[in-house]
Amino acid sequence: AQSVTQLDSQVPVFEEAPVELRCNYSSSVSVYLFWYVQYPNQGLQLLLKYLSGSTLVKGINGFEAEFNKSQTSFHLRKPSVHISDTAEYFCAVSGGGETSYDKVIFGPGTSLSVIP
Amino acid sequence: ETGVTQTPRHLVMGMTNKKSLKCEQHLGHNAMYWYKQSAKKPLELMFVYNFKEQTENNSVPSRFSPECPNSSHLFLHLHTLQPEDSALYLCASSQNILSTDTQYFGPGTRLTVL
Repeated sequence: AQSVTQLDSQVPVFEEAPVELRCNYSSSVSVYLFWYVQYPNQGLQLLLKYLSGSTLVKGINGFEAEFNKSQTSFHLRKPSVHISDTAEYFCAVSGGGETSYDKVIFGPGTSLSVIP
Repeated sequence: ETGVTQTPRHLVMGMTNKKSLKCEQHLGHNAMYWYKQSAKKPLELMFVYNFKEQTENNSVPSRFSPECPNSSHLFLHLHTLQPEDSALYLCASSQNILSTDTQYFGPGTRLTVL
């Protein structure tokens, strides 16, 4: 069965500093990986996703993530954060093949707090 | 309206009440989902509908009853709930139910069961 681990439940970081949010997954099949963001009082919104190809994926708002198959990781990074990046970040995994259905498994989330 | 909308945004109900949550998507998608988001826990998938047909029921208690009259609308009927059912209920939609599809979420209904 697939699972997702986000080791850091809370990450405080100063404005304009870099940040890395960690995500590890376990799966015995090919995986598709996602990062979603949830701003206060809103639903989740896709930041980026890895389906295949280049292991470095660029997303919205200056975020990027790198798929590392050997380490089963998909860490999210941003070189310089802004106050507006304060939110909950969820890593998610699905699998089963491009033409099939497999439910998305979400991690527990990492709360990013950007300090002015 | 654009994207995925949910009503009401907040709901307080007693354990003997019956209420319904509504979700509408304006994206032309074929698949819709209900998730439960509790504090300090990962999102829990509850139900999946594809072209109005239920394709997944993730062992959800029968006090939660989903309804999908068409691909744009999804309801969650609630009755005889327990205090532990208090949570944020999120609706989502996607073009199809493929593993690669992006899900688009509504803002959620904050449910409190007294």
